[in-house]
Amino acid sequence: SAVISQKPSRDICQRGTSLTIQCQVDSQVTMMFWYRQQPGQSLTLIATANQGSEATYESGFVIDKFPISRPNLTFSTLTVSNMSPEDSSIYLCSVWTGNEQYFGPGTRLTVT
Amino acid sequence: TQLLEQSPQFLSIQEGENLTVYCNSSSVFSSLQWYRQEPGEGPVLLVTVVTGGEVKKLKRLTFQFGDARKDSSLHITAAQPGDTGLYLCAGTRGASKLTFGTGTRLQVTL
Repeated sequence: SAVISQKPSRDICQRGTSLTIQCQVDSQVTMMFWYRQQPGQSLTLIATANQGSEATYESGFVIDKFPISRPNLTFSTLTVSNMSPEDSSIYLCSVWTGNEQYFGPGTRLTVT
Repeated sequence: TQLLEQSPQFLSIQEGENLTVYCNSSSVFSSLQWYRQEPGEGPVLLVTVVTGGEVKKLKRLTFQFGDARKDSSLHITAAQPGDTGLYLCAGTRGASKLTFGTGTRLQVTL
Protein backbone atom coordinates (compact mmCIF):
# COMPACT_ATOMS: atom_id res chain seq x y z
CA SER A 1 0.00 0.00 0.00
CA ALA A 2 0.97 3.66 -0.14
CA VAL A 3 0.02 6.62 2.01
CA ILE A 4 0.07 9.95 0.21
CA SER A 5 -0.02 13.41 1.71
CA GLN A 6 -0.49 16.67 -0.12
CA LYS A 7 0.22 20.26 0.88
CA PRO A 8 -1.60 22.54 1.01
CA SER A 9 -4.97 20.89 1.48
CA ARG A 10 -6.67 23.99 0.14
CA ASP A 11 -5.83 27.52 -0.90
CA ILE A 12 -7.46 30.64 -2.25
CA CYS A 13 -5.26 32.49 -4.72
CA GLN A 14 -5.47 35.62 -6.76
CA ARG A 15 -5.56 35.66 -10.53
CA GLY A 16 -2.11 35.86 -12.12
CA THR A 17 -0.23 34.26 -9.23
CA SER A 18 1.26 30.73 -9.01
CA LEU A 19 0.81 27.94 -6.48
CA THR A 20 3.05 24.93 -5.90
CA ILE A 21 1.44 21.76 -4.58
CA GLN A 22 3.56 19.15 -2.84
CA CYS A 23 3.01 15.38 -2.87
CA GLN A 24 4.81 13.07 -0.45
CA VAL A 25 4.58 9.27 -0.51
CA ASP A 26 5.54 7.00 2.38
CA SER A 27 7.39 4.55 0.11
CA GLN A 28 9.45 4.64 -3.07
CA VAL A 29 7.34 4.42 -6.21
CA THR A 30 8.25 4.53 -9.86
CA MET A 31 5.04 5.97 -11.27
CA MET A 32 3.53 9.21 -9.98
CA PHE A 33 0.72 11.11 -11.62
CA TRP A 34 -1.08 14.44 -11.28
CA TYR A 35 -4.82 14.71 -11.91
CA ARG A 36 -7.29 17.58 -11.99
CA GLN A 37 -10.87 17.24 -10.83
CA GLN A 38 -13.16 20.16 -11.54
CA PRO A 39 -16.06 20.68 -9.15
CA GLY A 40 -18.52 17.80 -9.27
CA GLN A 41 -16.73 16.13 -12.14
CA SER A 42 -14.44 13.22 -12.88
CA LEU A 43 -10.65 13.13 -12.93
CA THR A 44 -8.49 14.20 -15.84
CA LEU A 45 -4.84 13.22 -16.05
CA ILE A 46 -2.52 16.20 -16.30
CA ALA A 47 0.84 14.45 -16.52
CA THR A 48 3.05 11.61 -15.44
CA ALA A 49 5.87 12.78 -13.16
CA ASN A 50 9.09 11.01 -14.18
CA GLN A 51 11.95 10.76 -11.72
CA GLY A 52 15.07 12.37 -13.13
CA SER A 53 13.51 13.54 -16.36
CA GLU A 54 10.86 15.86 -17.70
CA ALA A 55 7.22 15.06 -17.01
CA THR A 56 5.03 13.58 -19.74
CA TYR A 57 2.00 15.80 -20.35
CA GLU A 58 -1.41 14.80 -21.64
CA SER A 59 -3.14 16.56 -24.49
CA GLY A 60 -4.34 19.98 -23.41
CA PHE A 61 -1.75 20.43 -20.67
CA VAL A 62 1.63 22.14 -21.13
CA ILE A 63 4.77 22.45 -19.09
CA ASP A 64 4.71 26.26 -19.00
CA LYS A 65 1.33 26.21 -17.27
CA PHE A 66 1.86 23.14 -15.07
CA PRO A 67 5.57 22.66 -14.38
CA ILE A 68 6.28 19.45 -12.45
CA SER A 69 9.29 18.37 -10.45
CA ARG A 70 10.18 14.82 -9.35
CA PRO A 71 13.49 15.00 -7.51
CA ASN A 72 13.25 11.49 -6.01
CA LEU A 73 11.03 8.40 -5.77
CA THR A 74 8.90 9.70 -2.89
CA PHE A 75 8.22 13.34 -3.75
CA SER A 76 6.79 15.50 -6.50
CA THR A 77 5.49 19.02 -6.96
CA LEU A 78 2.97 20.50 -9.36
CA THR A 79 2.90 24.24 -9.97
CA VAL A 80 -0.18 25.95 -11.35
CA SER A 81 1.19 29.08 -13.04
CA ASN A 82 -0.40 32.39 -13.92
CA MET A 83 -3.70 31.24 -12.47
CA SER A 84 -7.13 32.18 -13.71
CA PRO A 85 -10.57 31.33 -12.25
CA GLU A 86 -10.77 28.42 -14.74
CA ASP A 87 -7.96 26.75 -12.80
CA SER A 88 -10.19 26.40 -9.75
CA SER A 89 -10.21 22.64 -9.18
CA ILE A 90 -9.06 19.85 -6.95
CA TYR A 91 -5.55 18.68 -7.84
CA LEU A 92 -4.73 15.09 -6.89
CA CYS A 93 -1.45 13.24 -6.73
CA SER A 94 -1.51 9.52 -7.45
CA VAL A 95 0.98 6.65 -7.41
CA TRP A 96 1.06 3.21 -8.98
CA THR A 97 2.62 0.56 -6.74
CA GLY A 98 2.61 -2.19 -9.33
CA ASN A 99 -0.62 -3.65 -7.98
CA GLU A 100 -2.88 -0.74 -7.31
CA GLN A 101 -3.22 2.99 -7.80
CA TYR A 102 -3.45 5.17 -4.70
CA PHE A 103 -4.58 8.76 -4.49
CA GLY A 104 -3.76 11.62 -2.20
CA PRO A 105 -6.53 13.60 -0.49
CA GLY A 106 -6.26 16.39 -3.04
CA THR A 107 -5.58 20.12 -2.93
CA ARG A 108 -8.65 22.30 -3.37
CA LEU A 109 -7.67 25.44 -5.26
CA THR A 110 -9.91 28.46 -5.64
CA VAL A 111 -8.77 31.30 -7.88
CA THR A 112 -10.43 34.68 -7.41
CA THR B 1 -12.60 13.34 -25.29
CA GLN B 2 -14.21 11.29 -22.52
CA LEU B 3 -13.77 7.65 -23.44
CA LEU B 4 -15.78 6.15 -20.58
CA GLU B 5 -19.39 7.22 -20.17
CA GLN B 6 -21.17 6.43 -16.93
CA SER B 7 -24.89 6.34 -16.35
CA PRO B 8 -26.75 7.57 -14.56
CA GLN B 9 -24.90 10.78 -13.66
CA PHE B 10 -26.89 11.23 -10.46
CA LEU B 11 -28.89 8.80 -8.40
CA SER B 12 -30.86 9.50 -5.23
CA ILE B 13 -32.43 6.47 -3.59
CA GLN B 14 -33.72 5.36 -0.23
CA GLU B 15 -31.99 2.94 2.08
CA GLY B 16 -32.70 -0.66 1.15
CA GLU B 17 -33.14 -0.10 -2.58
CA ASN B 18 -31.03 -1.74 -5.25
CA LEU B 19 -29.20 0.12 -8.00
CA THR B 20 -26.96 -0.42 -11.00
CA VAL B 21 -24.35 1.94 -12.42
CA TYR B 22 -23.09 1.46 -15.96
CA CYS B 23 -19.73 2.30 -17.51
CA ASN B 24 -19.56 2.15 -21.30
CA SER B 25 -16.89 2.72 -23.90
CA SER B 26 -16.24 2.10 -27.57
CA SER B 27 -12.65 1.17 -26.69
CA VAL B 28 -11.27 -2.07 -25.33
CA PHE B 29 -9.50 -1.92 -21.96
CA SER B 30 -7.07 -4.44 -20.55
CA SER B 31 -8.52 -3.88 -17.10
CA LEU B 32 -11.16 -1.78 -15.46
CA GLN B 33 -11.32 -0.41 -11.95
CA TRP B 34 -14.14 0.97 -9.84
CA TYR B 35 -13.46 3.67 -7.27
CA ARG B 36 -15.53 5.46 -4.66
CA GLN B 37 -14.71 9.01 -3.67
CA GLU B 38 -16.05 10.88 -0.66
CA PRO B 39 -15.88 14.65 -0.21
CA GLY B 40 -12.44 15.94 0.70
CA GLU B 41 -10.73 12.67 -0.14
CA GLY B 42 -9.11 10.98 -3.09
CA PRO B 43 -10.74 8.04 -4.88
CA VAL B 44 -10.41 4.67 -3.14
CA LEU B 45 -10.19 1.49 -5.18
CA LEU B 46 -13.10 -0.93 -4.80
CA VAL B 47 -12.25 -3.60 -7.35
CA THR B 48 -10.25 -4.42 -10.49
CA VAL B 49 -11.66 -6.64 -13.23
CA VAL B 50 -9.40 -7.96 -15.97
CA THR B 51 -11.14 -10.84 -17.76
CA GLY B 52 -14.04 -10.40 -20.19
CA GLY B 53 -17.23 -11.65 -18.54
CA GLU B 54 -15.66 -11.57 -15.08
CA VAL B 55 -17.96 -11.06 -12.09
CA LYS B 56 -16.62 -10.01 -8.70
CA LYS B 57 -18.55 -9.59 -5.47
CA LEU B 58 -17.59 -7.38 -2.57
CA LYS B 59 -20.23 -7.80 0.15
CA ARG B 60 -23.31 -6.02 -1.25
CA LEU B 61 -21.48 -4.81 -4.37
CA THR B 62 -21.32 -6.87 -7.58
CA PHE B 63 -19.06 -5.85 -10.44
CA GLN B 64 -19.16 -7.21 -13.96
CA PHE B 65 -16.78 -6.73 -16.87
CA GLY B 66 -18.33 -7.04 -20.32
CA ASP B 67 -17.37 -9.95 -22.57
CA ALA B 68 -15.70 -7.59 -25.03
CA ARG B 69 -13.95 -5.65 -22.23
CA LYS B 70 -15.57 -2.39 -23.33
CA ASP B 71 -18.12 -1.97 -20.57
CA SER B 72 -18.75 -2.70 -16.93
CA SER B 73 -21.48 -2.46 -14.33
CA LEU B 74 -21.68 -2.01 -10.59
CA HIS B 75 -24.73 -3.32 -8.77
CA ILE B 76 -25.44 -2.43 -5.15
CA THR B 77 -27.95 -4.49 -3.20
CA ALA B 78 -29.84 -2.98 -0.27
CA ALA B 79 -28.07 0.37 -0.39
CA GLN B 80 -27.09 2.04 2.86
CA PRO B 81 -26.32 5.71 3.66
CA GLY B 82 -22.65 4.74 3.92
CA ASP B 83 -22.70 3.92 0.19
CA THR B 84 -23.16 7.62 -0.60
CA GLY B 85 -20.39 9.02 -2.73
CA LEU B 86 -19.01 9.53 -6.21
CA TYR B 87 -18.48 6.27 -8.08
CA LEU B 88 -15.88 6.28 -10.82
CA CYS B 89 -14.91 3.63 -13.30
CA ALA B 90 -11.44 3.81 -14.83
CA GLY B 91 -9.84 1.81 -17.58
CA THR B 92 -6.27 0.94 -18.42
CA ARG B 93 -4.73 -0.18 -21.67
CA GLY B 94 -1.62 -2.06 -20.63
CA ALA B 95 0.21 0.58 -18.62
CA SER B 96 -0.72 2.10 -15.28
CA LYS B 97 -2.24 5.27 -16.78
CA LEU B 98 -5.95 5.47 -15.96
CA THR B 99 -8.76 6.91 -18.06
CA PHE B 100 -11.60 7.84 -15.76
CA GLY B 101 -15.29 7.68 -16.48
CA THR B 102 -17.66 10.61 -16.18
CA GLY B 103 -18.72 9.60 -12.67
CA THR B 104 -21.98 8.72 -10.91
CA ARG B 105 -22.97 10.60 -7.80
CA LEU B 106 -25.02 8.41 -5.45
CA GLN B 107 -27.07 9.70 -2.53
CA VAL B 108 -28.67 7.17 -0.20
CA THR B 109 -31.15 8.57 2.28
CA LEU B 110 -32.81 7.04 5.33
